[in-house]
Amino acid sequence: GDSVTQMEGPVTLSEEAFLTINCTYTATGYPSLFWYVQYPGEGLQLLLKATKADDKGSNKGFEATYRKETTSFHLEKGSVQVSDSAVYFCALSIYSGGGADGLTFGKGTHLIIQP
Amino acid sequence: DARVTQTPRHKVTEMGQEVTMRCQPILGHNTVFWYRQTMMQGLELLAYFRNRAPLDDSGMPKDRFSAEMPDATLATLKIQPSEPRDSAVYFCASGRGGENTQYFGPGTRLTVL
Repeated sequence: GDSVTQMEGPVTLSEEAFLTINCTYTATGYPSLFWYVQYPGEGLQLLLKATKADDKGSNKGFEATYRKETTSFHLEKGSVQVSDSAVYFCALSIYSGGGADGLTFGKGTHLIIQP
Repeated sequence: DARVTQTPRHKVTEMGQEVTMRCQPILGHNTVFWYRQTMMQGLELLAYFRNRAPLDDSGMPKDRFSAEMPDATLATLKIQPSEPRDSAVYFCASGRGGENTQYFGPGTRLTVL
């Protein structure tokens, strides 16, 4: 079946550091790829997405590029802030007739940014 | 700003009791998903509906869980009887057919004693 593997945390960085969270996937079809973010006590918010190979998703300074050859969708940010502290989930879904199937999630990466 | 709403936000109950969780999808969205989040298993898809028809409930324990969409504005997830291992956060998400983005509600935190 489909699966997503991401580095588990916690990942602790200092403010203004460069961030990379690795994500790789296996899928039987042609998935769309997502990064969701979850702040304490809240639901999941879509951070960015990419729907086909070589697409780059970006939002709020975060970026990720859909790499089909390495089956990866690594999340990066050039300079993190304390407010970026949260849990980040990599996910995929397959688009079948009529709409997207349910999301398959990675285990989540807890990111802690220290001032 | 359209959002998915879920009620109740928190529920504490005793083992053996019936639990019903409700979700109102974003107006115009025709696909509704139910997920469960636990520390051990992470986020798991339980079931989903498109145009109110169930498409996949393979992630749901069939003997005690049931999911329905009585109308386009309401989805329900019921557990009867509840067990301590059902303690988790249950999320509802909705999306538009033809798109692949899902929008999540705030979740229902269920504790079964």
